[in-house]
Amino acid sequence: GAVVSQHPSWVICKSGTSVKIECRSLDFQATTMFWYRQFPKQSLMLMATSNEGSKATYEQGVEKDKFLINHASLTLSTLTVTSAHPEDSSFYICSAKDPASYEQYFGPGTRLTVT
Amino acid sequence: KNEVEQSPQNLTAQEGEFITINCSYSVGISALHWLQQHPGGGIVSLFMLSSGKKKHGRLIATINIQEKHSSLHITASHPRDSAVYICAVTGNQFYFGTGTSLTVIP
Repeated sequence: GAVVSQHPSWVICKSGTSVKIECRSLDFQATTMFWYRQFPKQSLMLMATSNEGSKATYEQGVEKDKFLINHASLTLSTLTVTSAHPEDSSFYICSAKDPASYEQYFGPGTRLTVT
Repeated sequence: KNEVEQSPQNLTAQEGEFITINCSYSVGISALHWLQQHPGGGIVSLFMLSSGKKKHGRLIATINIQEKHSSLHITASHPRDSAVYICAVTGNQFYFGTGTSLTVIP
């Protein structure tokens, strides 16, 4: 089946630094990718919808200047957490929609810890 | 009130038992997803449904659009099925259930 990868799978960074997380669709071209975050013992929350070649659409309450999303190609979307703070520590997950089947495939997630 | 409700929240079963997890939603949807999240956090998409029933191995997912209800069944459960199962719906936006934590005891 279709696969979506994320890199890195986990990252520890210092407060104030920026971290980039990559999401790739490995065997299909995804015009639309989604970014979620999950706090411990809570459900997923959609952060933003990323469309190739255009600006991302952010959900209410998500700071677009803090969570920069770039979808520069049909197989890659990146999420950059800028000036990270400990409260940004979370599990970040992406998903990609296969336009041929309309199936949505989830990445394995990236665990971010900000110290 | 959450747009997506799952039950039960927690479930413990003996190996081999038949398991059912339920999901009800209150919004119009284009598709319903069943996701599996293992303790390490990684998520696997099990099914995407817009109608009827799908089967994959020991897993069966059904959806009743009129009743706005879906069920995930696991036949002959195994300890490796232990995970959190999340129901999610897509319509105008995404809504996620809070998940069902399943533990299968050998």
